Amino acid sequence: AQTVTQSQPEMSVQEAETVTLSCTYDTSESDYYLFWYKQPPSRQMILVIRQEAYKQQNATENRFSVNFQKAAKSFSLKISDSQLGDAAMYFCAYTGRRALTFGSGTRLQVQP
Amino acid sequence: DAGVIQSPRHEVTEMGQEVTLRCKPISGHNSLFWYRQTMMRGLELLIYFNNNVPIDDSGMPEDRFSAKMPNASFSTLKIQPSEPRDSAVYFCASSLSRGSYNEQFFGPGTRLTVL
Repeated sequence: AQTVTQSQPEMSVQEAETVTLSCTYDTSESDYYLFWYKQPPSRQMILVIRQEAYKQQNATENRFSVNFQKAAKSFSLKISDSQLGDAAMYFCAYTGRRALTFGSGTRLQVQP
Repeated sequence: DAGVIQSPRHEVTEMGQEVTLRCKPISGHNSLFWYRQTMMRGLELLIYFNNNVPIDDSGMPEDRFSAKMPNASFSTLKIQPSEPRDSAVYFCASSLSRGSYNEQFFGPGTRLTVL
């Protein structure tokens, strides 16, 4: 079974600074996708960024980028120039043949 | 686009009552997913459908839970009888293709409280 581990229950960052959220996963599949979802207090789940396992290039979406290390099964999210609106729960998720498996989440606080 | 629509947004019921949660996926999407979110267990997949057919229901906790998708634009998740431990936020999500390689779009969730 696939597992996703987020070892940081909470993180804090100063506005305009950079923060990295960690995620590791365990799988025997060779073809899979990885995601980061954001869940603000509104509860809405919002896709932040997606990485295909067969692509070596790290995905980037504006201020959000990932560091995908396939051999290490690591998939961290870097948020640059943090903004107050980035404060939320962030979930790492994996999908292979089955539907999404989520990590336990990291609560990100952004300090003004 | 209206996005994924879920109703009700909040439901408070008493133990033993039947609860029905509803979901309307995004038009044109052919995969639909039901998730449950609790503090203790996080986000868990309950069941997912492809072209209205249940593909994986291994996450359904027990026989008290059932899900249907009678057509491409509507799905229900029913709990009968409900128990306090069923209290959670239930999310419905839809995507454009089988499985979840493509982005899943989530609804706003239904917060269920069973007293």
